[in-house]
Amino acid sequence: DGGITQSPKYLFRKEGQNVTLSCEQNLNHDAMYWYRQDPGQGLRLIYYSQIVNDFQKGDIAEGYSVSREKKESFPLTVTSAQKNPTAFYLCASARQNYGYTFGSGTRLTVV
Amino acid sequence: GESVGLHLPTLSVQEGDNSIINCAYSNSASDYFIWYKQESGKGPQFIIDIRSNMDKRQGQRVTVLLNKTVKHLSLQIAATQPGDSAVYFCAEIPPSRGRRALTFGSGTRLQVQP
Repeated sequence: DGGITQSPKYLFRKEGQNVTLSCEQNLNHDAMYWYRQDPGQGLRLIYYSQIVNDFQKGDIAEGYSVSREKKESFPLTVTSAQKNPTAFYLCASARQNYGYTFGSGTRLTVV
Repeated sequence: GESVGLHLPTLSVQEGDNSIINCAYSNSASDYFIWYKQESGKGPQFIIDIRSNMDKRQGQRVTVLLNKTVKHLSLQIAATQPGDSAVYFCAEIPPSRGRRALTFGSGTRLQVQP
């Protein structure tokens, strides 16, 4: 079945460490997105990519980095520059900006 | 900045009643809107969408209404069931040049009382 897979489901990071969250889709979608969700809040856009080898900053890109070397993959790195990284991270993909599909999320906790 | 917002943070209904969740949006040029359902610890699940050239769209037990005059969206759920308990988000795609990404509101929690 086609879908979008995020891993790991839970991730713990020590202060000062970089961590990478995985997002893979087999829907043949061109566009992929990363959102951050804090408790009781809506989703805020971190980065997005409309096509391979191209990506754009969203509303809260500081302290994050991404790459889009393959159509199927859009990993997100949370760097040590992100001062408050504890959150629920959601990846999504879409075809021609419609048909948005979300992954099941990664919950990142700083310990 | 422009945003999508919701009138009620929590809505409590009795099982079997109809539910109405409202959403106000501020960008009159947005051309696509989606309602999502999110259960605790899970990703958002697509419910129904509507384009700006429509004012109503129906799905299974759900109806979305779009009133462009007052920039208002609503999600109607018929015969609400306990499994409908979740947080509901509306999202829009604002027509920012070069950026086509969903902008989300803060959500409404629907609680279905048995």
